Amino acid sequence: EVQLVESGGGLVKPGGSLRLSCAASGFTFSSYGMNWVRQAPGKGLEWVSSISFSSSYIYYSDSLKGRFTISRDNAKNSLYLQMNSLRAEDTAVYYCARDSDRFDYWGQGTLVTVSS
Amino acid sequence: QSVLTQPPSASGTPGQRVTISCSGSSSNIGSNTVNWYQQLPGTAPKLLMYINNQRPSGVPDRFSGSKSGTSASLAISGLQSEDEADYYCATWDDSLNGWVFGGGTKLTVL
Repeated sequence: EVQLVESGGGLVKPGGSLRLSCAASGFTFSSYGMNWVRQAPGKGLEWVSSISFSSSYIYYSDSLKGRFTISRDNAKNSLYLQMNSLRAEDTAVYYCARDSDRFDYWGQGTLVTVSS
Repeated sequence: QSVLTQPPSASGTPGQRVTISCSGSSSNIGSNTVNWYQQLPGTAPKLLMYINNQRPSGVPDRFSGSKSGTSASLAISGLQSEDEADYYCATWDDSLNGWVFGGGTKLTVL
């Protein structure tokens, strides 16, 4: 059974940093691209970043303006999102999702709250 | 403002057929396949339709998808109360080099 479990969310002050993790199991992690998608409270889905299976290709939403960095460790079956210079508008549930030219499996999400 | 345009809400009575539209442009829907996601209240999104009209295993055939030019649509026939959810279309955008979502459509079963 495919499982994606996010962790690392929490309360952080504006300007602070946070690193999210996504632990994958039930499939060959090193064969799939992965994504981060976020959802602000009461709002719609917003794609954040994608990384190919070998980390050769990485894409970010223009709205992030270089503040976030996606990475993965295939040996640990893990996906990461380093978030710096956090702003109030980054407050959201962050989901990791497996990429098969669609987001076919999603984690349960981890909540990031940016507030002073 | 979302790159893909969906109606914010839709509704129907049990047994009815409802359609949700998704409008884009030549750089996204016009060039790539469309996926749909269903998000039940308080849960993570779930893949509902992929490559325009393909249903993942377990999705009832009451759900169907189509795409024409720069628009796509999701149809739900035989509406049931458990279909009450938010629905999102998504595709890759060749100009933005990223995935784009519609703003979501909240489906209410009256």
